[in-house]
Amino acid sequence: GAGVSQTPSNKVTEKGKYVELRCDPISGHTALYWYRQSLGQGPEFLIYFQGTGAADDSGLPNDRFFAVRPEGSVSTLKIQRTERGDSAVYLCASSRGQRNEQFFGPGTRLTVL
Amino acid sequence: AQSVTQLDSQVPVFEEAPVELRCNYSSSVSVYLFWYVQYPNQGLQLLLKYLSGSTLVESINGFEAEFNKSQTSFHLRKPSVHISDTAEYFCAVTPGYGGSQGNLIFGKGTKLSVKP
Repeated sequence: GAGVSQTPSNKVTEKGKYVELRCDPISGHTALYWYRQSLGQGPEFLIYFQGTGAADDSGLPNDRFFAVRPEGSVSTLKIQRTERGDSAVYLCASSRGQRNEQFFGPGTRLTVL
Repeated sequence: AQSVTQLDSQVPVFEEAPVELRCNYSSSVSVYLFWYVQYPNQGLQLLLKYLSGSTLVESINGFEAEFNKSQTSFHLRKPSVHISDTAEYFCAVTPGYGGSQGNLIFGKGTKLSVKP
């Protein structure tokens, strides 16, 4: 079956621009997670959805970051007024429930010039 | 809060040699422990996990890890590595039963490089 997909695979933008990153989870998975992986670091938790609602957004670094999952499936991570420090690989994962194995997508590599 | 420390950023070994990748964690509550692997140009894949029960867990490709509560460690071992094991390995933790969150807390990763 299809795994977690993320689009685009690469995104290059200029400082100050707005970007949207999309995650398509495995069908039927109710839990969805966003992580950010900076160079030389492990993935860092950003936000977790259970269904349509954000159950935990404590990892979002500031109010320029926002994520939605309006129908409980596809999720979009939105970054306003991008900064060079936002450059990283953004990973999405999904699972059948909060305590089940998380399956990761290939990531979106964001580069802010 | 939980944290994970992977003491070695890079581990070079020769093919068929044994290897140990070290992982220590810090937590005030019980935890679940995981090892994820990231092969070159691929996404993260779960290698093995400890949730409860036997403290020694094994993967299908010969890796094993042992949960040591007293030393707060979850080191990953393989008695004989192959070239195909070259990858980056991440140790991760999440609060165990009764915890309120399922998000994973990762270490910085260890790059295993297997040389012929």
